[in-house]
Amino acid sequence: DAKTTQPTSRDCAEGRAANLPCNHSTISGNEYVYWYRQIHSQGPQYIIHGLKNNETNEMASLIITEDRKSSTLILPHATLRDTAVYYCIVALMNTGFQKLVFGTGTRLLVSP
Amino acid sequence: NAGVTQTPKFRVLKTGQSMTLLCAQDMNHEYMYWYRQDPGMGLRLIHYSVGEGTTAKGEVPDGYNVSRLKKQNFLLGLESAAPSQTSVYFCASSKTSGGAEEQFFGPGTRLTVL
Repeated sequence: DAKTTQPTSRDCAEGRAANLPCNHSTISGNEYVYWYRQIHSQGPQYIIHGLKNNETNEMASLIITEDRKSSTLILPHATLRDTAVYYCIVALMNTGFQKLVFGTGTRLLVSP
Repeated sequence: NAGVTQTPKFRVLKTGQSMTLLCAQDMNHEYMYWYRQDPGMGLRLIHYSVGEGTTAKGEVPDGYNVSRLKKQNFLLGLESAAPSQTSVYFCASSKTSGGAEEQFFGPGTRLTVL
């Protein structure tokens, strides 16, 4: 499985966009990029995933570069409740089973 | 729907004791997983199941056993607890699909082994 590299931490002002980068330079053609987050002491929460194209849902946008070697998660209007550890994961789909390998993630702190 | 629930929420064991953690999901998901998370680290997969009656080893299976007798339940057992098994344990589930499916996580069980 491809490994990912994320900054240890990021700060963001409330109401501003939070941009969280992720490098996955060894990603292969059939691996997806997933983003999960973990709010203090809770179970991880799925945010978004993509393969090649940019994706958007009610929580966030995922921008994947054309060469697929990096991606950026964007929270368009961060709130205090978005303070969490964000995990970028590259996973191979193997007959429907997801093997998610969690790294240490990026700790996002949203301040008033 | 309750989603994924875990029992108990907290537990303290002495070295050598045994216990079973219960995970239940009401979403009719085929796949279920057990992870552990140590302080300051990401989650690591212990065991998983791709359907009722099946189990498989994950990244860190030693010292744990699992069973999936019913589709909605996934049990994690510690036969002889060790201090190295002090951790937070998360259960997750996902539905069968040929595409990418999200995993739904439970709230976790905080286990301390003295």
